[in-house]
Amino acid sequence: EDQVTQSPEALRLQEGESSSLNCSYTVSGLRGLFWYRQDPGKGPEFLFTLYSAGEEKEKERLKATLTKKESFLHITAPKPEDSATYLCAVQRGTGNQFYFGTGTSLTVIP
Amino acid sequence: EPEVTQTPSHQVTQMGQEVILRCVPISNHLYFYWYRQILGQKVEFLVSFYNNEISEKSEIFDDQFSVERPDGSNFTLKIRSTKLEDSAMYFCASREKFGPLSGNTIYFGEGSWLTVV
Repeated sequence: EDQVTQSPEALRLQEGESSSLNCSYTVSGLRGLFWYRQDPGKGPEFLFTLYSAGEEKEKERLKATLTKKESFLHITAPKPEDSATYLCAVQRGTGNQFYFGTGTSLTVIP
Repeated sequence: EPEVTQTPSHQVTQMGQEVILRCVPISNHLYFYWYRQILGQKVEFLVSFYNNEISEKSEIFDDQFSVERPDGSNFTLKIRSTKLEDSAMYFCASREKFGPLSGNTIYFGEGSWLTVV
């Protein structure tokens, strides 16, 4: 069965304290892995797409990496405005739906 | 920047009533989706739509649900007889195309919060 597991469920960081969020997946024939940011009461906002092991993408303080079994979202020197829930989703080779993890709720304290 | 727009942002309805949620996908996109998120739970796939027909649906998308693209811009989700457990945030999403590398990203709207009482 296809599964996406994110850890930790919640993370509290001091402003400037770097850390990483994990997304591990089991899916037949990964077509793509996607990271989204979700603010309370809002829709998921697209961050990154990763397609193959070894690929990395960066945007401001965020960097996403992909291996054959997991992806990491590294947050460097976070700011309070980075506080949000970060969602990981995978798309398998057949079909076009995305399977989401439960997310990591990040709080950055000033 | 193009975006997916949804209406209404919030709707309260009585159990057993019909509800229609509306979406305007990004204009050059070809694939359309409905997802839902029950409070505190993960985002769940309901249905995907391409070329004027359902291409994939989950077990959640039973006979009470239907989708339609009534014109060139709107995409709707209808729930025929709402139940308490239908209370959730419903997200519309769209994708440009089904390619190996590009155009594969799904973009979400801000959601329609449905409360069934």
